[in-house]
Amino acid sequence: RKEVEQDPGPFNVPEGATVAFNCTYSNSASQSFFWYRQDCRKEPKLLMSVYSSGNEDGRFTAQLNRASQYISLLIRDSKLSDSATYLCVVNPPNQGGKLIFGQGTELSVKP
Amino acid sequence: EAEVAQSPRYKITEKSQAVAFWCDPISGHATLYWYRQILGQGPELLVQFQDESVVDDSQLPKDRFSAERLKGVDSTLKIQPAELGDSAMYLCASSLGPGKRQETQYFGPGTRLLVL
Repeated sequence: RKEVEQDPGPFNVPEGATVAFNCTYSNSASQSFFWYRQDCRKEPKLLMSVYSSGNEDGRFTAQLNRASQYISLLIRDSKLSDSATYLCVVNPPNQGGKLIFGQGTELSVKP
Repeated sequence: EAEVAQSPRYKITEKSQAVAFWCDPISGHATLYWYRQILGQGPELLVQFQDESVVDDSQLPKDRFSAERLKGVDSTLKIQPAELGDSAMYLCASSLGPGKRQETQYFGPGTRLLVL
């Protein structure tokens, strides 16, 4: 089993749609979780950290379910500029800050 | 805004040749990471430095890859000899260091390597 698994893509949605990405992780002791965004042929950039209580940043909402070892990202009112690959990232414990990345889910927002 | 610098941005080489990539982290960042990203996959850690010391190189193919950060600032990743399967994006990232609020990693633009 991979340490971090994401929904297979691509997701093709119209502008204004709501889209949700799911991710599961295998190490139950993991403490830190993130969503990174990666545009085509560019480097990953931190989109948001994921906190136990869930957190929201504008149109983006991240949720964490520790019992199910499950992380989600919800994008509301999607824009053309949201088209990118979204990477689910986990920081396992006692590994000096090492990040484990999922394979990424590609999102394409169409007019 | 401070950024992680990498060079070259693109590199084409023939198999069996040697290649080297350079990374300059954000000033003051003690931790430096090298990742490899194969097309269609997420980045995978190759090596992690804390200052000038290697913290984790468990996924580094040591028969052909080497990395150094001699003065605890910039870093070089070398491949010798390069193989076809090494074609990938090589990403450098840095963070302030261990600790909950210092662990955010910032990535450089990457070096895209093509081995022919």
